[in-house]
Amino acid sequence: RKEVEQDPGPFNVPEGATVAFNCTYSNSASQSFFWYRQDCRKEPKLLMSVYSSGNEDGRFTAQLNRASQYISLLIRDSKLSDSATYLCVVNIFGTGNQFYFGTGTSLTVIP
Amino acid sequence: GAGVSQSPSNKVTEKGKDVELRCDPISGHTALYWYRQRLGQGLEFLIYFQGNSAPDKSGLPSDRFSAERTGESVSTLTIQRTQQEDSAVYLCASSLNVRVEQYFGPGTRLTVT
Repeated sequence: RKEVEQDPGPFNVPEGATVAFNCTYSNSASQSFFWYRQDCRKEPKLLMSVYSSGNEDGRFTAQLNRASQYISLLIRDSKLSDSATYLCVVNIFGTGNQFYFGTGTSLTVIP
Repeated sequence: GAGVSQSPSNKVTEKGKDVELRCDPISGHTALYWYRQRLGQGLEFLIYFQGNSAPDKSGLPSDRFSAERTGESVSTLTIQRTQQEDSAVYLCASSLNVRVEQYFGPGTRLTVT
C-alpha cells in the first residue's frame, strides 16, 4: 500500500470555480503535512504547510483530518494560473526522517 | 535570499559513463535531500543528509549511485556506469531542519543515450 494516495485527476474546471483535492495517508505516525504545486517540467514549489487546526492562505484552504488520515486542499475562485499538478506530502519522523510524496493531482483551469 | 541551486541544468551522457550532479542548498539549511523524477511520474526519494549524522541511503536504487555532502553545504550525487533507465530529472531539496518544509532546486535533467 502506498504511503500517500491522491486522485490523479485530471480536474478540468472553469475560471472562478471552487475545486477540492483529497489525499489519504496510511501511516498514523505521520507528523507533518504539506501541499506543493508543480508546473510542467519545473520543480515542486511549496504551496502551504497543513496544520492540525486547518489553515488558509488567500484563496487556498488546507485541512487535516487525523482520525480519517486525510488532508484536503480547497481552491476558491480558480485562476488560469492555478493550472498545475498538486502534490500531497507527508512526513514521518521517528528513527529516520521520511518524506512521502503523492503522485499528484492535475488541475487545468479553463477560460 | 538565494534558493537551492543545481548544476548542470542539463546533462547528456553516453551509456556507461559516470556523471556527477551538484547541489548548493540554502545557506543555514541542515537537511538536504535528493530525489529522482522520471517523465510523467512522481518523486522517488534517493538519499537524505542531516547535519553530521550518517546519511539515509535507503532510496538509492543500486550501488552505482552514491552521494556526498560537505558539512552543511554542497552535495554531489554520482552515478557510475550510467544506464538508459537513469534518464530522469534529479531534484535536490533542502530544509532548515527535520520535519519542516523543503525547498527544491530547479533540477538536473539527465539524458543517457
